[in-house]
Amino acid sequence: DVKVTQSSRYLVKRTGEKVFLECVQDMDHENMFWYRQDPGLGLRLIYFSYDVKMKEKGDIPEGYSVSREKKERFSLILESASTNQTSMYLCASSLWAAAYEQYFGPGTRLTVT
Amino acid sequence: AQTVTQSQPEMSVQEAETVTLSCTYDTSESDYYLFWYKQPPSRQMILVIRQEAYKQQNATENRFSVNFQKAAKSFSLKISDSQLGDAAMYFCAQGGSSNTGKLIFGQGTTLQVKP
Repeated sequence: DVKVTQSSRYLVKRTGEKVFLECVQDMDHENMFWYRQDPGLGLRLIYFSYDVKMKEKGDIPEGYSVSREKKERFSLILESASTNQTSMYLCASSLWAAAYEQYFGPGTRLTVT
Repeated sequence: AQTVTQSQPEMSVQEAETVTLSCTYDTSESDYYLFWYKQPPSRQMILVIRQEAYKQQNATENRFSVNFQKAAKSFSLKISDSQLGDAAMYFCAQGGSSNTGKLIFGQGTTLQVKP
């Protein structure tokens, strides 16, 4: 069975902290994605990776960075957390092409105080 | 720029009735794919149905079907015989062949199913 896991369901951090969100998939997928989900805005792509050590900016990359050292793991890093980064973060993975569905993790609800 | 628009933030349906969720999109791609995803409360997002733009036939998955109008760039989801377990947020998404797997998502529609 396909599985995407995220390191935390809920996370509370202070302004200015460095925050790591981790995502692991067990399907040998080439693509991995980080989205941010906010009410009324749907899912917005932060970064995606199409191969190990390869990454591309999505629509809202400011304030975020990513790391993909192994195929199965994709990390989202908030270098200096701010209150406007309070949100639900979803990780997803897929095979290489747009025809293939994305499989999602359970999400991490991050609160920055 | 590619956009996906869901103009209905909330919908409700009586159990066993039929409901249609709307979605419009804008793309310059000639070859693309459309998806409906379901996000139940506090649960993971899952794929409901997929449509290839080159196929004229509307996709169907059990009680879920789509009305794909390519010229109008419209992609609505019909849920027949609605069940309580259909209550969720539904997202429409579009992916193009040149985007290497990237999807553009709509704003989402929250569906309430009344017993």
